[in-house]
Amino acid sequence: QVQLQESGPGLVKPSETLSLTCTVSGGSISSFYWSWIRQSAGKGLEWIGRIYSGGNTDYNPSLKSRVTMSLDTSKSQFSLKLSSVTAADTAVYYCASSSMVRGVRAGFDYWGQGAVVTVSS
Amino acid sequence: DVVMTQSPLSLPVTLGQPASISCRSSQSLVHSDGNTYLNWFQQRPGQSPRRLIYKVSNRDSGVPDRFSGSGSGTDFTLKISRVEAEDVGVYYCMQGTHWPLITFGQGTRLEIK
Repeated sequence: QVQLQESGPGLVKPSETLSLTCTVSGGSISSFYWSWIRQSAGKGLEWIGRIYSGGNTDYNPSLKSRVTMSLDTSKSQFSLKLSSVTAADTAVYYCASSSMVRGVRAGFDYWGQGAVVTVSS
Repeated sequence: DVVMTQSPLSLPVTLGQPASISCRSSQSLVHSDGNTYLNWFQQRPGQSPRRLIYKVSNRDSGVPDRFSGSGSGTDFTLKISRVEAEDVGVYYCMQGTHWPLITFGQGTRLEIK
């Protein structure tokens, strides 16, 4: 069973870049689609984007200009960077996986426990 | 964006009684490949979301058979045949048809009366 664990700073200053890493265990990082999803009181659940083997990415158009995702297969990790953050980016950030058979359209099979990120000076 | 509207937003249910949650999309969720990418998630208090149903009616492994999904086009329903205490939480629908704009409903909070 795939297990996911988010890590990164819990506090980010406005206008700076939010950086999170998700460490994968129990499955090959080359064999799944990897997504970031956030949950805030104001906007509910919001899909940020996905990355998969070869570093291919797809992003939510509403966040695309500020999002960068990357993959480190040697460490079984994938990462999220969100630039120019504001208070509206305060949320719980989840990493999640989707099987290549069903795809991201069919949702997310496994989720991390979530990382709370607050944007504040 | 495709807007997903759930109702009710709050659902008090007596143990052992059935429950039903509606999810309506602002556009048809039938994809050109013939599939309808409407999924349901459960989020228990203090936990991460967990998928229950994918592509309208396919139950995930380990999900009790008291959970069922149905619907087509723009109208979908999640039903729980007999609510148990462990079913307390928030339920979300999610559409994956209109890529890359995956969107979720606002959630329905199920509580025990």
